[in-house]
Amino acid sequence: AQSVSQHNHHVILSEAASLELGCNYSYGGTVNLFWYVQYPGQHLQLLLKYFSGDPLVKGIKGFEAEFIKSKFSFNLRKPSVQWSDTAEYFCAVSGNNRLAFGKGNQVVVIP
Amino acid sequence: IAGITQAPTSQILAAGRRMTLRCTQDMRHNAMYWYRQDLGLGLRLIHYSNTAGTTGKGEVPDGYSVSRANTDDFPLTLASAVPSQTSVYFCASSPTGPRTDTQYFGPGTRLTVL
Repeated sequence: AQSVSQHNHHVILSEAASLELGCNYSYGGTVNLFWYVQYPGQHLQLLLKYFSGDPLVKGIKGFEAEFIKSKFSFNLRKPSVQWSDTAEYFCAVSGNNRLAFGKGNQVVVIP
Repeated sequence: IAGITQAPTSQILAAGRRMTLRCTQDMRHNAMYWYRQDLGLGLRLIHYSNTAGTTGKGEVPDGYSVSRANTDDFPLTLASAVPSQTSVYFCASSPTGPRTDTQYFGPGTRLTVL
């Protein structure tokens, strides 16, 4: 079964700073990759996804992620964060007919 | 379009009691899922259903059961609640299976077992 690792569980940064969240997975087969976001008090929403094609994926709200197959990674980036980006971010990997989530990154953006 | 609705929004339950969490979707999705979310552990799959009439066990199925009598509803039952089942429960659905589809999540049920 696949597994997902997210590092730096708690991230605190100022507005306009750049954000990068790491995601590494382990699975030997073909995978589809997702980043979900959970704003305070809300349910999970899809931020972006990668199925095939261009490994650099652009999502909503200025987020992007790059799939690097050789490194089994799918890191999330945003060049300039806003206070409204305060949320928990989950990387997820589908394979073997199951979607596996990482433990999440709690991101706090200070105005 | 409501998407996915869950009920109740929150519940406090005495240990040993039986509890059913309800989940309904109006998107005609074939697949549905139940997750629990615990601090520091992310989301863990409890049970899933790829289509009406079928169910399967996820990562943490013990103490939970599900049924899928029709496409829209996917209730989760705790036969005899224990404090370790205190968590936030999310129901999700996807058009087909988890491999290629985005999952859409409900608003969650916050359950406290005392």
